[in-house]
Amino acid sequence: AQSVAQPEDQVNVAEGNPLTVKCTYSVSGNPYLFWYVQYPNRGLQFLLKYITGDNLVKGSYGFEAEFNKSQTSFHLKKPSALVSDSALYFCAVRAPYSGAGSYQLTFGKGTKLSVIP
Amino acid sequence: ETGVTQSPTHLIKTRGQQVTLRCSSQSGHNTVSWYQQALGQGPQFIFQYYREEENGRGNFPPRFSGLQFPNYSSELNVNALELDDSALYLCASSLEVSGQGLYTEAFFGQGTRLTVV
Repeated sequence: AQSVAQPEDQVNVAEGNPLTVKCTYSVSGNPYLFWYVQYPNRGLQFLLKYITGDNLVKGSYGFEAEFNKSQTSFHLKKPSALVSDSALYFCAVRAPYSGAGSYQLTFGKGTKLSVIP
Repeated sequence: ETGVTQSPTHLIKTRGQQVTLRCSSQSGHNTVSWYQQALGQGPQFIFQYYREEENGRGNFPPRFSGLQFPNYSSELNVNALELDDSALYLCASSLEVSGQGLYTEAFFGQGTRLTVV
């Protein structure tokens, strides 16, 4: 069974400082990894994904994430936080394709990011 | 904003009733997945539809059922509503190429907030 852990319920960072939101995963085979962001009373917005290739993935709004296979981690990062980045962030994993029904995403519990002006 | 639309946005039902939630996929996508997001939790996979057939299901009882139509839109039906069914229900669409494991990332709608009283 696949799983995702986001060890921090909340991350506080000052505006302009770098931010990191942590994610570790467990899955059989090479993972497909994703980050989504959720604003209050809204659905999930896709930020970035790792499928294969470069371990550093760049996404929307200046976010990037680093895939580390040995540590089974996929931490989300941004060099300079904005107040508008304050939201709920979800890491998700999907197992490699293995036939019908293997497409489901497994999400972490989410990390609330607060960027302080 | 994604091209995935859900209706209604909010709904209040009484325990024991039945409810139908609707989702219109993003143009060009052929797969629809449904997720339940309880308050303070990450989304939980309910099931997925591809080519009008359910091809994957999470840990949800049979009173959760669905349909996918030829235009790839979808419905989620929940019978005999329970108080614990109160949640945000998210629909996600993606393009899957069966047999090759090729796909796009999932794009989510705004969700339907269901309250069971």
